[in-house]
Amino acid sequence: AQKVTQAQTEISVVEKEDVTLDCVYETRDTTYYLFWYKQPPSGELVFLIRRNSFDEQNEISGRYSWNFQKSTSSFNFTITASQVVDSAVYFCALYNQGGKLIFGQGTELSVKP
Amino acid sequence: EAEVAQSPRYKITEKSQAVAFWCDPISGHATLYWYRQILGQGPELLVQFQDESVVDDSQLPKDRFSAERLKGVDSTLKIQPAELGDSAMYLCASSLEGGRGYGYTFGSGTRLTVV
Repeated sequence: AQKVTQAQTEISVVEKEDVTLDCVYETRDTTYYLFWYKQPPSGELVFLIRRNSFDEQNEISGRYSWNFQKSTSSFNFTITASQVVDSAVYFCALYNQGGKLIFGQGTELSVKP
Repeated sequence: EAEVAQSPRYKITEKSQAVAFWCDPISGHATLYWYRQILGQGPELLVQFQDESVVDDSQLPKDRFSAERLKGVDSTLKIQPAELGDSAMYLCASSLEGGRGYGYTFGSGTRLTVV
């Protein structure tokens, strides 16, 4: 079975704090792709990152960084120096060979001033 | 930047009425998806098209939902009759071929409320 688990339902931080969103996935495929999306209150899903299963290098993009570890089937997302504009629901998703995205339940991040 | 267009943005309908949503994918994207997102949950796939053919509709409640993509470009998702439990965000997405998720882009969605 293929599954994505985001154990943190809600996280609340104060501006400028660092925050890590956890994502654990299950798949039997040897080739797969992992995504993170941001969903602000307006509802659209904003693409953040796509990572394939053969590339375990961590990635940094501005204040965002991602830690992919196949050994623990985790693909965690860290926001450094959080800002109020980071407040949103964040989804981790697994892309399978059939072309379908399987989403986690989402983590609602609230960044307070 | 190319976008996936969806309309309407919001829809309120009464129970037992028919409702339809429209999606225009990014030009050149052969694969089109309809997802349903119930409040507080992640999106779930309803139907996947490759050009005009349905690839996966295993989660589509076929007694009341239908989807078509007649010319392999834009697509319509219909619900008839609508039920209270259909209240959700309906998201359309499109992607390039290749099976690696390149260019997987979502539209802004249609937020449906059934009263």
